[in-house]
Amino acid sequence: AQSVTQLGSHVSVSEGALVLLRCNYSSSVPPYLFWYVQYPNQGLQLLLKYTSAATLVKGINGFEAEFKKSETSFHLTKPSAHMSDAAEYFCAVNTGGFKTIFGAGTRLFVKA
Amino acid sequence: EAGVTQFPSHSVIEKGQTVTLRCDPISGHDNLYWYRRVMGKEIKFLLHFVKESKQDESGMPNNRFLAERTGGTYSTLKVQPAELEDSGVYFCASSQVALAGVRSYNEQFFGPGTRLTVL
Repeated sequence: AQSVTQLGSHVSVSEGALVLLRCNYSSSVPPYLFWYVQYPNQGLQLLLKYTSAATLVKGINGFEAEFKKSETSFHLTKPSAHMSDAAEYFCAVNTGGFKTIFGAGTRLFVKA
Repeated sequence: EAGVTQFPSHSVIEKGQTVTLRCDPISGHDNLYWYRRVMGKEIKFLLHFVKESKQDESGMPNNRFLAERTGGTYSTLKVQPAELEDSGVYFCASSQVALAGVRSYNEQFFGPGTRLTVL
């Protein structure tokens, strides 16, 4: 069975600081991995996806994530946080089927 | 190209009432999904349509929930009668299966969600 664990339901960083949101997954087959973002009062937007090509994936708004099979991780990073990055972020896994499994979400706060 | 749309954006009803949520997928997408997020927990899968057929409804909570997709276009999710624990955000998503190497992957495009509050 697949599962996703996001470490930290809330993360707070200062503007300009590194953003690191952690995600670990469990899957019996090679996974496809996703990060989604939900801004206040908006829907889910795909930030980036890993589909078995390059292990370092670049997404929108300066975010990137690295797939590490040995650590079963897919952490999301951004070198310098902006106030506009404040949102809730969801890591998700799909194993080629139709059901996507989501983590519980991490709410990112950015302090001025 | 229009994205996935959902209606209404918010709904507030009383316990025991009926509510119907609507989802219009991206044109040409055969796959349609419903997900739900309850009280800040994880987003959970409810069911999956391929065209008008239910492929997987393993996530439907109980028989108070009824999903339909007549004609394989838009879908409705009816809750009857609504209970307090049904409150949450209901997301709809659609996809076409895409190929990536030897396995296909399934990028799902999500709508904005319907926030349901049952009082």
